[in-house]
Amino acid sequence: DAMVIQNPRYQVTQFGKPVTLSCSQTLNHNVMYWYQQKSSQAPKLLFHYYDKDFNNEADTPDNFQSRRPNTSFCFLDIRSPGLGDAAMYLCATSKTGRGRTNEKLFFGSGTQLSVL
Amino acid sequence: KQEVTQIPAALSVPEGENLVLNCSFTDSAIYNLQWFRQDPGKGLTSLLLIQSSQREQTSGRLNASLDKSSGRSTLYIAASQPGDSATYLCAVRRETSGSRLTFGEGTQLTVNP
Repeated sequence: DAMVIQNPRYQVTQFGKPVTLSCSQTLNHNVMYWYQQKSSQAPKLLFHYYDKDFNNEADTPDNFQSRRPNTSFCFLDIRSPGLGDAAMYLCATSKTGRGRTNEKLFFGSGTQLSVL
Repeated sequence: KQEVTQIPAALSVPEGENLVLNCSFTDSAIYNLQWFRQDPGKGLTSLLLIQSSQREQTSGRLNASLDKSSGRSTLYIAASQPGDSATYLCAVRRETSGSRLTFGEGTQLTVNP
């Protein structure tokens, strides 16, 4: 049974047209992450939520936003997609506590975004 | 800034062969190191996690080692099978980064029947 679910599996959008990717989890994990992965490259962390606290990476473009309305759901909003934003977007979760260092990350299957 | 490098970028072996994948990182101040598997067009599956205080972890035919002081980790796969074909990525959790991981670009493994 899928524990981290991403929808849709494939998303096609037009240049400049806002798009939202969704992620849900049944693990009740307190941390949720969004990674961007371009072909044959390492996943790159965009931002993560530690409980309700939003943590943005310094080099994440302002074009990328995120919302976490509750523990189970997290959304990635791309306000004005450019051709360079075409990539696989991966959602991940972990159960992390202060002082804990042994938590594993659980990934969804990803959303492949194409920008036309 | 932490950098993670994986060598080789691609590897092709015949079925049944034992093999080693390499991962190196530039900053030894890490909490842990994880090895992931990624099938084409899919998400990542965590294989093994090694704490910074540990030297190795084993799961079935997989064995991961960690030499924190030299900034190196290896993933050993015994008796490889065609089903092992995938991209293998390593990632380190830096001590100052909270929950964040830094990934390598991966090694694409092909096991030929």
